[in-house]
Amino acid sequence: AQTVTQSQPEMSVQEAETVTLSCTYDTSESDYYLFWYKQPPSRQMILVIRQEAYKQQNATENRFSVNFQKAAKSFSLKISDSQLGDAAMYFCAYRPNTGTASKLTFGTGTRLQVTL
Amino acid sequence: KAGVTQTPRYLIKTRGQQVTLSCSPISGHRSVSWYQQTPGQGLQFLFEYFSETQRNKGNFPGRFSGRQFSNSRSEMNVSTLELGDSALYLCASSPLTGAGSYEQYFGPGTRLTVT
Repeated sequence: AQTVTQSQPEMSVQEAETVTLSCTYDTSESDYYLFWYKQPPSRQMILVIRQEAYKQQNATENRFSVNFQKAAKSFSLKISDSQLGDAAMYFCAYRPNTGTASKLTFGTGTRLQVTL
Repeated sequence: KAGVTQTPRYLIKTRGQQVTLSCSPISGHRSVSWYQQTPGQGLQFLFEYFSETQRNKGNFPGRFSGRQFSNSRSEMNVSTLELGDSALYLCASSPLTGAGSYEQYFGPGTRLTVT
């Protein structure tokens, strides 16, 4: 069974600084997707960034980038130039790119605080 | 395009009652998945529907059921409610399912409180 582990329950970063959130996963599949989702307090969960396992290049979306290490099964999220609006729960998620279903397996989340 | 909508947003029920939650996916999306989010268990997959067929089911008791209509709208039902069913229930939609499909788009959730 696939598992996703986020070992940092809480992180704090000062505004304009850079922070890295960690995620490791376990799977026997070779073709899969990894995602980072953001869930602001009392607000909707939104997709931050997506990585296809077969792509060696790390995904980047504006201030958000990932460090994908397939052999190590590691998928960390780097947030540059942190802003107050980045404060949220961040969930790492995994989905195999096989079969007929689209089940996401989530980590336990990292709560990110952004301070002035 | 309108996003995923869920109704109702908040619900209070008593133990033993049943409840039905509704989810309308993004227009054109045919896959609808349901997740339960609690502080203790985190986000757990309930089930996925695609073209009115259940494609995958999580490890939840039979009290949890769902269905999907021809317009892709989905409902989930929980019978004989227990205190432990108190949670945020999230619905997510995707254009496709399985291999080749991409990310899921989440709705705002329904906050269910069982007293």
